[in-house]
Formats: sequence, C-alpha cells, structure tokens
Amino acid sequence: AQKVTQAQTEISVVEKEDVTLDCVYETRDTTYYLFWYKQPPSGELVFLIRRNSFDEQNEISGRYSWNFQKSTSSFNFTITASQVVDSAVYFCALRGGGFKTIFGAGTRLFVKA
Amino acid sequence: KAGVTQTPRYLIKTRGQQVTLSCSPISGHRSVSWYQQTPGQGLQFLFEYFSETQRNKGNFPGRFSGRQFSNSRSEMNVSTLELGDSALYLCASGLAGYQETQYFGPGTRLLVL
Repeated sequence: AQKVTQAQTEISVVEKEDVTLDCVYETRDTTYYLFWYKQPPSGELVFLIRRNSFDEQNEISGRYSWNFQKSTSSFNFTITASQVVDSAVYFCALRGGGFKTIFGAGTRLFVKA
Repeated sequence: KAGVTQTPRYLIKTRGQQVTLSCSPISGHRSVSWYQQTPGQGLQFLFEYFSETQRNKGNFPGRFSGRQFSNSRSEMNVSTLELGDSALYLCASGLAGYQETQYFGPGTRLLVL
C-alpha cells in the first residue's frame, strides 16, 4: 500500500524565518514520483515540484528547496526567509504505477508579519 | 495556455438529489483525475480517466461515477446526495503517462443541505 505522512499539522513562524515541512512516504513501487503542492485560501492546488525515485539530487528554486532522501523515504521542503504570502496549506503527494496520486494530510503554514 | 477549468464553482443541493460536475483539462492533456477534499478526510482520490477509459478508481461508493469524452473533457456525477458529500471537488489534468505532473483546477464547492 502507498502512504504519505505529513506529521506537522500546523506550523507558525515569523516572517523571514526559515521553515521545513516534513514528508515521509511508503511505497513498494521501484519507480515513483513525489510532488509538492501549495493550496492557498482560494482552494486551487498549485504545483511546486516533481521528483522521480531515481533522482536524489536536491533542488533549489529561489527561496524554495527540496531534500529527497530515498534511504529514509523522505522528501522535505524548506522555505528560506519566509514571507506572509507563503501562508497556505502544503501537500506532499506520491504517484506510483497505479495511476493514482496519494496525498498527505497537509501542513498548514502561518507566516506572521 | 488556459488552465484546468471546472464548472460550476459553487453548488448547493439537498439530500437525495444528484449532481454533475464538469472539468475541462489543459489543452493537449489527455488524462483527468478527480479528488474529493473534506476537512476530516483530506484529499481523496476518486478516479482517473485517459482516452475515455477509467484507469483507476478510489474507494468510494457506486453513487460516485464519472466519464470522459473524446475531447478529454470529463464529468463526474454523484447520485442520491448525502450530507457527507459536502466537499471541494478538485479536477486535475495531465499528459498521458503516470509520471506526468497533474495540474489542478479551482474546484467545485458542493454543499448538501
């Protein structure tokens, strides 16, 4: 069975702090894809990043960075110098060979000015 | 390129009625997936279509059904609505393969009274 766990339900930080959102996954597939999405109050899920199971290279995009570690089945997401506009719910997701995407429960991030 | 569109955006129904939601994918995208999002259950996979064929289905009762048309547009139908069907219904589209990123529409907020 596939499973995605986001243990942090809510995180509250002050603007300019760095924050890391944790994601741990379970799958028996050897080839799979991991995703992060952002859901602002409007409700639409916004795609942030996709990683395949063969590529453990970490990635940085502006203030966002992702750390994929296959050995610990983790795919963590860090926002550097957080801003109020980063306030949203962030979802980690897993897609294997079954044409089905499994989402974690989400982490609600509050960034206070 | 236009994003995924969903209609209607908001809907109020009463118990026992049925409802049909529509999703138009991004141009060129051939797969469409549907998800139900509720505060208690989070984001749950309903079904995924590709080339007018359902290629996976989540654990929902038979009251939930869907279909895809030759132009890749998709509809989902919920018959005999229950109060618990109140949710945000999200549609996502992707290219063809399971490895492809899914892009989400703004969702349809359904309230069942």
